[in-house]
Amino acid sequence: KNQVEQSPQSLIILEGKNCTLQCNYTVSPFSNLRWYKQDTGRGPVSLTIMTFSENTKSNGRYTATLDADTKQSSLHITASQLSDSASYICVVRARLTGGGADGLTFGKGTHLIIQP
Amino acid sequence: DAGITQSPRHKVTETGTPVTLRCHQTENHRYMYWYRQDPGHGLRLIHYSYGVKDTDKGEVSDGYSVSRSKTEDFLLTLESATSSQTSVYFCAIRDASDNYNEQFFGPGTRLTVL
Repeated sequence: KNQVEQSPQSLIILEGKNCTLQCNYTVSPFSNLRWYKQDTGRGPVSLTIMTFSENTKSNGRYTATLDADTKQSSLHITASQLSDSASYICVVRARLTGGGADGLTFGKGTHLIIQP
Repeated sequence: DAGITQSPRHKVTETGTPVTLRCHQTENHRYMYWYRQDPGHGLRLIHYSYGVKDTDKGEVSDGYSVSRSKTEDFLLTLESATSSQTSVYFCAIRDASDNYNEQFFGPGTRLTVL
């Protein structure tokens, strides 16, 4: 069964500090991996998408890494801001051979709180 | 929220009543999806549509039905709501030509079934 595990479940850090969120997956065959940010009361918003051949991708202060061999990804947030407080969701897409849904497996998310 | 609106945004209803949630998009995307999000679970797919009048079931479709009579609208119906259907419901859309198959999510509808 395809699974996506995220750690930690929750994290509290001080404003200005860096942090790293982890995502391990067992989805096969692999197509791509996405990180979403979900603010409280809002829908998820995409931060990055990475394919098999991409091992690092940045979006401002967010940097995602992917190790397709070990099936691990991380999201690093640099110089955190209060607005980074949100849930971060890792989503892995399986490469589909036929029609149907998109083959997405969602992690449960990491709840990040930035304290002033 | 990528040209997606959901209505209502909040609803409280009683067990056994029918409920319809609406997702409206202005992007003219072919694919539309309904998910539910519950504590302790990742987003779970309820139903999806790959075109007007073309729909299929997701992993948690029991107790739900959908309809898509126009490209821009995707309706989710709970024929007889139960307390287990208390959740936050998200609609998502996807462009058929996107190589990454990226989905864009609406703002969500919080449904409480008493």
